[in-house]
Amino acid sequence: TQLLEQSPQFLSIQEGENLTVYCNSSSVFSSLQWYRQEPGEGPVLLVTVVTGGEVKKLKRLTFQFGDARKDSSLHITAAQPGDTGLYLCAGEGLTGGFKTIFGAGTRLFVKA
Amino acid sequence: GAGVSQTPSNKVTEKGKYVELRCDPISGHTALYWYRQSLGQGPEFLIYFQGTGAADDSGLPNDRFFAVRPEGSVSTLKIQRTERGDSAVYLCASSAIMSDTQYFGPGTRLTVL
Repeated sequence: TQLLEQSPQFLSIQEGENLTVYCNSSSVFSSLQWYRQEPGEGPVLLVTVVTGGEVKKLKRLTFQFGDARKDSSLHITAAQPGDTGLYLCAGEGLTGGFKTIFGAGTRLFVKA
Repeated sequence: GAGVSQTPSNKVTEKGKYVELRCDPISGHTALYWYRQSLGQGPEFLIYFQGTGAADDSGLPNDRFFAVRPEGSVSTLKIQRTERGDSAVYLCASSAIMSDTQYFGPGTRLTVL
């Protein structure tokens, strides 16, 4: 069974601080996605990483896929209240199927 | 609208009743996914369709759960003899082709009393 573990589960920081959240697994994934979900809405895709060691940037967000494609991190620079939300990582495994496995998420709260 | 829509947005039912949850995917999307999200958890895969056929239903928890997509567009998730443990937000997503970006609907919040 593939399992994605996210840490921390909850993070409360002041506006302007930097933060990193992590997504780890003992399994290798063919691709890994990061989503952001707000209350009452479905997750919205932020980025997909495919290649081991890949780094992608989206404004103040930096995503990295581990060399072995088992882990990933999301770094936010100078967090803003608008970054508040649930950050989910999700992976597609190498079983030949297209089942997407989600982590439990990191709930981020950025205080003004 | 251009996005994925789900109805109803909220459903309250009694233990033992039957419920149907509907998903309208983005027009032209061939792949459709159902997930269940419990409080404090990430979405849990239930089933996905490629066209009219269920390509993978390994996430359905038991035979009380069933989903259809008869014309390859709208899908209905059916739950028989509901139990309190079925209470969750049921999310639907669609993508243009399998393994492409998934676009999620807002979900249906099911509460079983």
